[in-house]
Parts: sequence; C-alpha cells; structure tokens
Amino acid sequence: DTGVSQDPRHKITKRGQNVTFRCDPISEHNRLYWYRQTLGQGPEFLTYFQNEAQLEKSRLLSDRFSAERPKGSFSTLEIQRTEQGDSAMYLCASSLADGGDTDTQYFGPGTRLTVL
Amino acid sequence: AQKVTQAQTEISVVEKEDVTLDCVYETRDTTYYLFWYKQPPSGELVFLIRRNSFDEQNEISGRYSWNFQKSTSSFNFTITASQVVDSAVYFCALSGENNNDMRFGAGTRLTVKP
Repeated sequence: DTGVSQDPRHKITKRGQNVTFRCDPISEHNRLYWYRQTLGQGPEFLTYFQNEAQLEKSRLLSDRFSAERPKGSFSTLEIQRTEQGDSAMYLCASSLADGGDTDTQYFGPGTRLTVL
Repeated sequence: AQKVTQAQTEISVVEKEDVTLDCVYETRDTTYYLFWYKQPPSGELVFLIRRNSFDEQNEISGRYSWNFQKSTSSFNFTITASQVVDSAVYFCALSGENNNDMRFGAGTRLTVKP
C-alpha cells in the first residue's frame, strides 16, 4: 500500500514535553498538509508545503508549533512545551498539484496525541 | 471567509433506508471545490468525491449520489439502501482555487442499524 503514512499512531506525553510526528506522503505527491482534529469536530488546517517550501503557516496554532519538510518528501510536525489543550488527532494529507484543476487531498491515519 | 455547515450532528437509520446528509457552504470565491470525506471508526479520512464550482451536474456512484446546487449553496449527499458498513462520520469540505486551505464542516455521524 502506498498511501499516506504517519508515525507514531499514538503518543502519550506529559505536559511540558516536546513531541514530534512524522508524515510520509504518497510518493509522487508534491504537496503535504497538516491538520488538527479535536473530538466532535472536523479537521482544522494548520500548514502546508509545496515540495520543501512552507507556503502557509499563519494558521499554526501558536509559536510552539512548527513543521518542516527538508527534502520535499517526508514532513515532521513538532509541538514544544505541550499543553493539555494540545490533545487531539493530528492528520497529514498529501496531494499532487500539477497546475491544472485543483488536486485532491488524501489523508493518513493520523497521530493521536494525549497530553497528561 | 469560507464556511461549511453540516446542520445534522447525528442521524440514525435502519439498514436499507435511504439517507441524505446536508451540506451548506459559504464562499466569496467564484472558483471553488467541494468535497465529501468519510471517517469510519478506524479514524482515517476516506475521500469520496470532489466537485468544482463550474460543474453542477449531479453525480452517482453506486449507492452514493451527490446533489450540487449553487443557487442554494448546497452539496448534499445521499446514500441509497444504507448498509451497516456505511456507519461513519461524514465530512463536507470546501477549498478555494489554490486548494491550500480546506475548510471542513463539523461532520454528521451516521449510524446504520441492522
């Protein structure tokens, strides 16, 4: 299967700790997105990359959140000094933007973060 | 600003019933895209359909059909002869021309009982 993969699937951490999540997109996709989903809500857009360039990051929730995609392939999302309010599902999606009609985002299984 | 409203929080039907999930959207863009995703209990969002703002033709795929009406800013989803495996949360989403900021509705939880 060559879908979007995320690691880890579950993460439990103590408040104040840093956490990092990884996303591997579908191999030929040049765009990669991060979303957060809290219980009972739809996914909330955080940031996205086209190749290695982070083209939108104003929607990251605070300066404790950062994302990278250094080689235009996998991406990492880091949350520093975690708070209990950061507990959520973090979703990654990828798409192929080829300059034509808009692309479709395909989602990974998510990383569920629990901050104690 | 873009907004998606799914007014139905939860729907429960008995197997083989037809069910329609409502989606109303707001946007100032002339070019935009509408999506439906399914999120089963496993948690992974599964893409169902994409429709652009210039294509108002209804679409049918097996037991699924979609009704896009720009006049009412709606993009409703109907499941015919529902099955237990259709039980999931269904999300409607909207993106602008560049698809870099997809807005999701809050979702409708569908339960299909045997």
